[in-house]
Amino acid sequence: ETGVTQTPRHLVMGMTNKKSLKCEQHLGHNAMYWYKQSAKKPLELMFVYNFKEQTENNSVPSRFSPECPNSSHLFLHLHTLQPEDSALYLCASSQVGQVADEKLFFGSGTQLSVL
Amino acid sequence: DAKTTQPNSMESNEEEPVHLPCNHSTISGTDYIHWYRQLPSQGPEYVIHGLTSNVNNRMASLAIAEDRKSSTLILHRATLRDAAVYYCTQYTSGTYKYIFGTGTRLKVLA
Repeated sequence: ETGVTQTPRHLVMGMTNKKSLKCEQHLGHNAMYWYKQSAKKPLELMFVYNFKEQTENNSVPSRFSPECPNSSHLFLHLHTLQPEDSALYLCASSQVGQVADEKLFFGSGTQLSVL
Repeated sequence: DAKTTQPNSMESNEEEPVHLPCNHSTISGTDYIHWYRQLPSQGPEYVIHGLTSNVNNRMASLAIAEDRKSSTLILHRATLRDAAVYYCTQYTSGTYKYIFGTGTRLKVLA
């Protein structure tokens, strides 16, 4: 399998549930990202990991908890979410180090609905 | 804050060229301009990027204004498969920050 794979593609959860989103990249990249895409809003950067170390936490509420066990896997743990957290959650990766050629590769996203 | 602005939507006829504009008036000297597009039910995909000079690849061309405050993505012959939302993005090197705008929804008419 190639590229960036996200599971599940769709998730419906109640406000008291705990769930996790998974992302795996097969590109050998050293940086991984979580983005949130809400209707009619720009993509919002949530977290960035470089070589498994978190380098960005864009003022994201603590009900979202990222985990990066290695440079190929990224998780987003969810608990006690609110209905306004319903959105498309996108994972991306990039190879950081050669600025002139850095670019993002995205997965297909997880469409999350919080009831 | 850095910001890119794009028209909400554009239309083009099939097999005609399309010019998608973007303003990035707050861009700094080391920020790259990236373009991504998002097809229905998919994540965004990379199209092209540049710093100062115009760029060409198999998907598109990127024309960057001399003052770098605007750029234009050029699709030389639009096809129905090019119907997507196109995002102009500023990338601040060394910060992992790609600043996305709200995008332009391109409709291609047969």
